[in-house]
Amino acid sequence: GQNIDQPTEMTATEGAIVQINCTYQTSGFNGLFWYQQHAGEAPTFLSYNVLDGLEEKGRFSSFLSRSKGYSYLLLKELQMKDSASYLCAVMDSNYQLIWGAGTKLIIKP
Amino acid sequence: DVKVTQSSRYLVKRTGEKVFLECVQDMDHENMFWYRQDPGLGLRLIYFSYDVKMKEKGDIPEGYSVSREKKERFSLILESASTNQTSMYLCASSFAGADTGELFFGEGSRLTVL
Repeated sequence: GQNIDQPTEMTATEGAIVQINCTYQTSGFNGLFWYQQHAGEAPTFLSYNVLDGLEEKGRFSSFLSRSKGYSYLLLKELQMKDSASYLCAVMDSNYQLIWGAGTKLIIKP
Repeated sequence: DVKVTQSSRYLVKRTGEKVFLECVQDMDHENMFWYRQDPGLGLRLIYFSYDVKMKEKGDIPEGYSVSREKKERFSLILESASTNQTSMYLCASSFAGADTGELFFGEGSRLTVL
């Protein structure tokens, strides 16, 4: 079966760095996505990785290792507004998205 | 600014009622999707559409149907609502020619079936 695993919840301190991991087992691979979802709001696109390596976009970076079936989202200089759920999704060989259950990130002052 | 609008943020229906959830996008996207989101589970695809009048079953189509009569509008229909359909329903759209296949989501419709 296809599976995406990510931690259910993480807590971090304002101003710090946090890494949210995502491991996957899917039928084929056509890219990995990270979305941010604030409580009661729509998910919004953060990043897309299809090749191995690190993609940096401001305070957020996303890393992919296809051989290990592994990705992480790195958030630097955490702000209170970063408190949200972070969803990992993989596009399989049929170009269908397989979603993880999401990681709820709690930022404390 | 791109926008996906879902007609109702909150609905309360009774078992057996017919429920319509409407979704409209203003980005001229070809692809539209209906997901449900439940605690502890990833988004699950109900139906999707790649073009007007086209529809494809997703992972959990049972108990649902869809309609896409116009490119900008994708409707989800629960013919006879049941309590296990209590959930958050998310509509999304994407541009067929996009490199990344990025999805644009609506803010969701939270349905409670009593």
